[in-house]
Amino acid sequence: GQQLNQSPQSMFIQEGEDVSMNCTSSSIFNTWLWYKQDPGEGPVLLIALYKAGELTSNGRLTAQFGITRKDSFLNISASIPSDVGIYFCAGQRLISGTYKYIFGTGTRLKVLA
Amino acid sequence: NAGVTQTPKFRVLKTGQSMTLLCAQDMNHEYMYWYRQDPGMGLRLIHYSVGEGTTAKGEVPDGYNVSRLKKQNFLLGLESAAPSQTSVYFCASSYGQLYNEQFFGPGTRLTVL
Repeated sequence: GQQLNQSPQSMFIQEGEDVSMNCTSSSIFNTWLWYKQDPGEGPVLLIALYKAGELTSNGRLTAQFGITRKDSFLNISASIPSDVGIYFCAGQRLISGTYKYIFGTGTRLKVLA
Repeated sequence: NAGVTQTPKFRVLKTGQSMTLLCAQDMNHEYMYWYRQDPGMGLRLIHYSVGEGTTAKGEVPDGYNVSRLKKQNFLLGLESAAPSQTSVYFCASSYGQLYNEQFFGPGTRLTVL
């Protein structure tokens, strides 16, 4: 099945550090989204990107839609313990006449106080 | 406004048993989706629906059936459960297809012995 390459798979960081993660594909996407999943919960949308090159912020989170439309990046500044969770990227593209979401494999973030 | 709800939250089945997972949304969304989440695999689409009375296969539909008799409900059925279907199942809904955020339910953890 189709999955986006997301890296890193997991990361342990100290509270206050900045975090960077990315999502790459060999295919072009028209929309990129970043979700966060807390333990025992469903994913919740953090940021949506609709144009190549777009840079969007949501509080301490900043995400960018890659110029090639094949990748996206998420940065978290000054991490806090509640940032712990799994971060998923998702790309939307036209497949066989239907717009489909493809999800990344997730980046598991642990923040050490 | 409850968003997307799923019933049950946990279930243990024996191989060969059947069950139905219920998803309900109160946002008047047209599109609904069923995903499964396995360790290291991210979210994989099982089936989806683009409106009341419609269903379509996703990436991993084998062993599952779905029905969308009412706009607000999307049912996922397992006719003869197998251990390979042990997973966490998430339902999601969206207003439209293009450029639209998916809202996720809290998940159902299913174990098949």
